[in-house]
Amino acid sequence: EAGVTQFPSHSVIEKGQTVTLRCDPISGHDNLYWYRRVMGKEIKFLLHFVKESKQDESGMPNNRFLAERTGGTYSTLKVQPAELEDSGVYFCASSQDRSYGYTFGSGTRLTVV
Amino acid sequence: GENVEQHPSTLSVQEGDSAVIKCTYSDSASNYFPWYKQELGKRPQLIIDIRSNVGEKKDQRIAVTLNKTAKHFSLHITETQPEDSAVYFCAASRSGGSNYKLTFGKGTLLTVNP
Repeated sequence: EAGVTQFPSHSVIEKGQTVTLRCDPISGHDNLYWYRRVMGKEIKFLLHFVKESKQDESGMPNNRFLAERTGGTYSTLKVQPAELEDSGVYFCASSQDRSYGYTFGSGTRLTVV
Repeated sequence: GENVEQHPSTLSVQEGDSAVIKCTYSDSASNYFPWYKQELGKRPQLIIDIRSNVGEKKDQRIAVTLNKTAKHFSLHITETQPEDSAVYFCAASRSGGSNYKLTFGKGTLLTVNP
């Protein structure tokens, strides 16, 4: 089966600009997660979708971040306007069942300059 | 919320030696503990996991132990090989129900020297 796909793999933007990250989960996986790793720190939870509904968005840093999953398939994470501290690697993951481990994508490395 | 501490942050071993990475967690309700391996530039991959009803689990050269009372769990890699070099992350969560987010440790950079 195809894995979790994320794009772009890298993005360099200027402070104040907008960036949209995309994640295509494994087909049939209702659960979709976004995580972020800031340089040298732990991978931190951002939010969890079940199909198109936001199940838990407690990890979203602030209202500059907007995640959507229209139709319950792919998801987008928009950062607007981007700040320097938003730099990091954004990972998406999906799972079929909440009781099992999930599959990560390769991540999008975001650099805000 | 849950807090996961991971040690050491870096670990260098000779090929053939064993490597041990330790994690502690704070939430006594956590019951699922996966370990992920991330090679340079690649995605984190699940290598082994353990649930709170089990004290130890083994898969070839990799084993994980869990001490619920002390709230710590460890990854053991025996007969290390250069391809084991990667960043290893431990994580904890409450599986099932509506909350299934993973709380990760900060990672351990394992280097296996030939």
